Amino acid sequence: GESVGLHLPTLSVQEGDNSIINCAYSNSASDYFIWYKQESGKGPQFIIDIRSNMDKRQGQRVTVLLNKTVKHLSLQIAATQPGDSAVYFCADSKGFQKLVFGTGTRLLVSP
Amino acid sequence: NAGVMQNPRHLVRRRGQEARLRCSPMKGHSHVYWYRQLPEEGLKFMVYLQKENIIDESGMPKERFSAEFPKEGPSILRIQQVVRGDSAAYFCASSPWTDQDIQYFGAGTRLSVL
Repeated sequence: GESVGLHLPTLSVQEGDNSIINCAYSNSASDYFIWYKQESGKGPQFIIDIRSNMDKRQGQRVTVLLNKTVKHLSLQIAATQPGDSAVYFCADSKGFQKLVFGTGTRLLVSP
Repeated sequence: NAGVMQNPRHLVRRRGQEARLRCSPMKGHSHVYWYRQLPEEGLKFMVYLQKENIIDESGMPKERFSAEFPKEGPSILRIQQVVRGDSAAYFCASSPWTDQDIQYFGAGTRLSVL
């Protein structure tokens, strides 16, 4: 069935460290994955996406890795800053339709 | 270019009243999605609409909830006879025709049922 899960509910890092947020999915038919950042009281903000025909994609300070063999997705944030503190969600999308969200990982960045 | 606009940002209703949540998609976007988020949880899909059409309402409760996206004007999520369990944040997202997978979210409407 469809499910997208997060390994850890909270991740605490020091400013300047690299952060890695993990996500597992169960549906082999999933073909599109998205990472969102949600700050308190705000809507989810698109970070980066990746399609199932790719295994890595890079953006500004962020990298998403997709391992289809073990159905695992990760978000890497380089040189984490206090402004990166938020809840991060991975979501799965099939085609043009609904996103299936995980429960989220709260990233706490201390100075 | 304005983002997805939702109003009101906060809505307080008493049990049994109706709640109407509005969403104006980004300019040029023809697809609208509604999601519900309970505290400390992820977003749950409710409904996917295009202009004048409901494409997927598999996440909508069978009763009391309805959604529309008319030819003119914003998309409306309507909750009749609200109950305390309806208290949540409701988010709207939109996507353009040419790239339907990336959904851009509004700031949400926080509904509190007293």
